[in-house]
Amino acid sequence: DAKTTQPNSMESNEEEPVHLPCNHSTISGTDYIHWYRQLPSQGPEYVIHGLTSNVNNRMASLAIAEDRKSSTLILHRATLRDAAVYYCIWRMDSSYKLIFGSGTRLLVRP
Amino acid sequence: DTEVTQTPKHLVMGMTNKKSLKCEQHMGHRAMYWYKQKAKKPPELMFVYSYEKLSINESVPSRFSPECPNSSLLNLHLHALQPEDSALYLCASSRARGQNEKLFFGSGTQLSVL
Repeated sequence: DAKTTQPNSMESNEEEPVHLPCNHSTISGTDYIHWYRQLPSQGPEYVIHGLTSNVNNRMASLAIAEDRKSSTLILHRATLRDAAVYYCIWRMDSSYKLIFGSGTRLLVRP
Repeated sequence: DTEVTQTPKHLVMGMTNKKSLKCEQHMGHRAMYWYKQKAKKPPELMFVYSYEKLSINESVPSRFSPECPNSSLLNLHLHALQPEDSALYLCASSRARGQNEKLFFGSGTQLSVL
């Protein structure tokens, strides 16, 4: 299965940008990168996904490295409600599976 | 309606009991998933249904029996579970199975096996 590597935890101040890194060094050219987050006592929630170029939506931005071996989820202004576990997921072209990695626990300080 | 509804929210059962978890969505999604999540761990894929047919079984023990009676409903039948099966069971759905599709998750059923 496709394996991603993320830091276990990160901290941020409220109202500041947050950059959450993810490594997926053996990804192939047709595999998508997905990000989900899980708030306490809730199921995971879709954040964003992309293939090659950078992607933006109302929640976040996704910056994918040119060689596609890493990506960064960008929260432009962290709020207390953004405190969650963020999962970077490499979804293989050949598989229908969404396999979660270990995730990054984001702490947002007021 | 972008909601996946799971019932019950909490379930306590003995090792000899038979119980079922239910999941429902009305988004017209044709792929549905069961995940298991232990405390402070990421969700682990158990089963995937596509167009009401089981397409992926991640070598899950037979004491877990999934069922997809129609495109809106997904059940997980539980029988003779072990205490180590205590976990949060998450249901999810997507329009289709493709890797470009996003999953919508329910809030889960917290299961305790005594």
